[in-house]
Amino acid sequence: QVTLKESGPGILQPSQTLSLTCTFSGFSLSTYGMGVGWIRQPSGKGLEWLANIWWDDDKYYNPSLKNRLTISKDTSNNQAFLKITNVDTADTATYYCARITRYKGFDYWGQGVMVTVSS
Amino acid sequence: DIQMTQSPPSLSASLGDKVTITCQASQNINKYIAWYQQKPGKAPRQLIRYTSTLVSGTPSRFSGSGSGRDYSFSISNVESEDIASYYCLQYDNLWTFGGGTKLELK
Repeated sequence: QVTLKESGPGILQPSQTLSLTCTFSGFSLSTYGMGVGWIRQPSGKGLEWLANIWWDDDKYYNPSLKNRLTISKDTSNNQAFLKITNVDTADTATYYCARITRYKGFDYWGQGVMVTVSS
Repeated sequence: DIQMTQSPPSLSASLGDKVTITCQASQNINKYIAWYQQKPGKAPRQLIRYTSTLVSGTPSRFSGSGSGRDYSFSISNVESEDIASYYCLQYDNLWTFGGGTKLELK
């Protein structure tokens, strides 16, 4: 059974760095073809892909946010991480992590964590 | 970057209707498109992947088709539990979501 769960700070101030953790079970990021991605959704708006990390440590970023994003993983503890630097109010959103494979896309999702950027 | 133009943004249907949502990619995406259902306050749920493959548990009233740049997603015999927002995702070259379609009851 594949499960994922996101965790984050809840609220942070503009210009700070947002750190998110995805803790998962039911698969391993050391398995060929597996990956974890991050997607966000401002309240009432659509989905935006942010970044993916793969079993071989290959990383992909949304070009529009690339300079601010860093994705990483801890394979032994079944976790993936995302950092977003210099946040502002436009980064207020629900952040999801999801399992990804090449042929299935994002197939399993976490429940999401709400992050608010406010002074 | 590949852009995904999803239409319509909103759709009103009666129970039992057939509805269709389309996504057009800015370039050929080689059938690497998935469709997701999202209900308020919930995470998206994958319904279809690789254009037309139903994910386990997806009712057969859902279907997908297309090729090249143009893809469609249909629900035949809309049921009350289908009232939700729907998104396409291209995963051929990086990953891009469509803008979404909100399905409401007429």
